[in-house]
Amino acid sequence: KQEVTQIPAALSVPEGENLVLNCSFTDSAIYNLQWFRQDPGKGLTSLLLIQSSQREQTSGRLNASLDKSSGRSTLYIAASQPGDSATYLCAAHSSNTGKLIFGQGTTLQVKP
Amino acid sequence: DTGVSQDPRHKITKRGQNVTFRCDPISEHNRLYWYRQTLGQGPEFLTYFQNEAQLEKSRLLSDRFSAERPKGSFSTLEIQRTEQGDSAMYLCASSPQATGSPDTQYFGPGTRLTVL
Repeated sequence: KQEVTQIPAALSVPEGENLVLNCSFTDSAIYNLQWFRQDPGKGLTSLLLIQSSQREQTSGRLNASLDKSSGRSTLYIAASQPGDSATYLCAAHSSNTGKLIFGQGTTLQVKP
Repeated sequence: DTGVSQDPRHKITKRGQNVTFRCDPISEHNRLYWYRQTLGQGPEFLTYFQNEAQLEKSRLLSDRFSAERPKGSFSTLEIQRTEQGDSAMYLCASSPQATGSPDTQYFGPGTRLTVL
C-alpha cells in the first residue's frame, strides 16, 4: 500500500530565502508525482507534474525533483515571497487510473 | 475553459439529513475523481469515473455514499443519513484521457460540508 509523507508539517522562513520541501513515498512503482498548492479554505492548484521517466520539472521559481529509487521528491522554491505562503501537497499517481495518494502537506509561511 | 466547478460551495446540514453535491469537470475531460479532505490532512481518494463508468471506489465510500456520472459529463455525490464524521471538504478533480501515464488532475474549489 502506497503511503506518502511530507516533512516538515510547517515551515516559516523570511522573505527572499530559498527553501526545499520534502516528500517521501513507500512504493517506488509510481507512475507520476504531482505537487499542488492549497490556500486556506480553497481547492488545489497544480504546480508541477513529474513523470516517472523524468528526474525534474521546472516552472518559474519552482523546481521539483524525483528519485524513484530512494522514494523521494523535493520541491525547491527560489527567492521566496509572502505570496508563496500556502500549504504544499505532494501526491503520487500509484496506478494508471490516476488515483492520487496525498501526503499531509507542508504549511509554508513566508514573512515579509 | 472555465475550470472545474462545484456546487454548493458550503453546506450545513443536521445529522440524519441527505445531501447532494455536484461537480462539473473541464469539458471533454474523460476522467473525474472525488476526494475528501479533513482539517489538517491531505485529500483522500473516494471514487473515480472514466466517462460514465464508475471504475473504482475506496473503502471509505460506505453504503451511505453514492456517486453518479450519468452522461459522462457532470457528476453528483450523495450522502444519505449524514453523520458528524462526514464533515469535511469534498473535492472534485478531472483529467483528460491518458494515452499512457496518468495526466495532470485539475481540482475544483470544493464543497465544505458541516454536519451539526
